[in-house]
Amino acid sequence: AQTVTQSQPEMSVQEAETVTLSCTYDTSENNYYLFWYKQPPSRQMILVIRQEAYKQQNATENRFSVNFQKAAKSFSLKISDSQLGDTAMYFCAFMHLYNQGGKLIFGQGTELSVKP
Amino acid sequence: DAGVTQSPTHLIKTRGQQVTLRCSPKSGHDTVSWYQQALGQGPQFIFQYYEEEERQRGNFPDRFSGHQFPNYSSELNVNALLLGDSALYLCASSWGDYNEQFFGPGTRLTVL
Repeated sequence: AQTVTQSQPEMSVQEAETVTLSCTYDTSENNYYLFWYKQPPSRQMILVIRQEAYKQQNATENRFSVNFQKAAKSFSLKISDSQLGDTAMYFCAFMHLYNQGGKLIFGQGTELSVKP
Repeated sequence: DAGVTQSPTHLIKTRGQQVTLRCSPKSGHDTVSWYQQALGQGPQFIFQYYEEEERQRGNFPDRFSGHQFPNYSSELNVNALLLGDSALYLCASSWGDYNEQFFGPGTRLTVL
């Protein structure tokens, strides 16, 4: 079975600093996507960044970047220049392509607090 | 573009009752997935609908059923409610099954 593990239930960071959230996953498949979603107190789940497993280059979206280590099955999220609006739950998620693809498998989440 | 919408926002039911939750996908999307998010947990996949058929299903009992209409909107039905069904129910839509899923704001279900 595929699993996603986020080992940091809570993290905090000072405004303007950099923080890294960890995620590991387990799968025997080669074709998949990885995602980081943000869920603020408003409950709306918002996609932060996506990584295709076949791409070696790490994905980047403005202040958000990932460190994708396929062999180690690790997918961490780095938030640079943290802002108060980054305060939220962050979920790492995995999606197979092809065999039983299309469903997202989520980790338990990391609650990030950005402090002024 | 209204994005994904869900109704109602909140719902309170008692054990044994039945509930129907509704979802309208983002414009242009044809696939709807439902997730259950218990308090303090990550969302769990319930099932996915495409072309009015259940394409795949997660590890949920038959008390959970769904439907997709010709306009791509969807319903989630839960029969014989249990206390453990209390959760945030999230609907997500996408164009096809391997593309980005856009989530709605969720329906908070409380079972007393």
